[in-house]
Amino acid sequence: GESVGLHLPTLSVQEGDNSIINCAYSNSASDYFIWYKQESGKGPQFIIDIRSNMDKRQGQRVTVLLNKTVKHLSLQIAATQPGDSAVYFCAESGGYQKVTFGTGTKLQVIP
Amino acid sequence: DSGVTQTPKHLITATGQRVTLRCSPRSGDLSVYWYQQSLDQGLQFLIQYYNGEERAKGNILERFSAQQFPDLHSELNLSSLELGDSALYFCASSVISGLGGTDTQYFGPGTRLTVL
Repeated sequence: GESVGLHLPTLSVQEGDNSIINCAYSNSASDYFIWYKQESGKGPQFIIDIRSNMDKRQGQRVTVLLNKTVKHLSLQIAATQPGDSAVYFCAESGGYQKVTFGTGTKLQVIP
Repeated sequence: DSGVTQTPKHLITATGQRVTLRCSPRSGDLSVYWYQQSLDQGLQFLIQYYNGEERAKGNILERFSAQQFPDLHSELNLSSLELGDSALYFCASSVISGLGGTDTQYFGPGTRLTVL
């Protein structure tokens, strides 16, 4: 079936640097994309979303970029902080609320 | 705090047993979703309810069932438990059913189920 592909890598980033987490999706019909952050022992927490009619959306210290041509999504975190250490999931939806999650990327912030 | 509550936080039981997990959605949210998260499979969508009715089904086993009550809380029932059912079970809620559209899901803290 269609899937969002994240092979759980670990990204280590120095505190204060920018982080970029990437995600490839395979369902060209997906029109809504979400990034979630999951800290150890907690449920996924919504960070930012983007619809397919946009290619960039900014939040507080986070930016999501969407490239529909190559079916690629990225999450940029500016000035990464120790509190950003977590597993980050991208998710995609083609409607009817059916959301498919990637496997996650672990972000480690080095103080 | 997402506003979604789940009980219990931890559950330890034996193979063959039956358990019930409970979820209360955020105030005003009509949709409830259940997910299973295991180490080797990531987050798997199980089932969605909207205002008391089943809306969508994912990879939910026949041994599992769910319902949403008039007060909008939901329960996930897991029966004939197997070792492989050990996982984190998350509930999420959102405002609308998303017919023709999608809105953000907010997750609860999860229930960790251990089957011995």
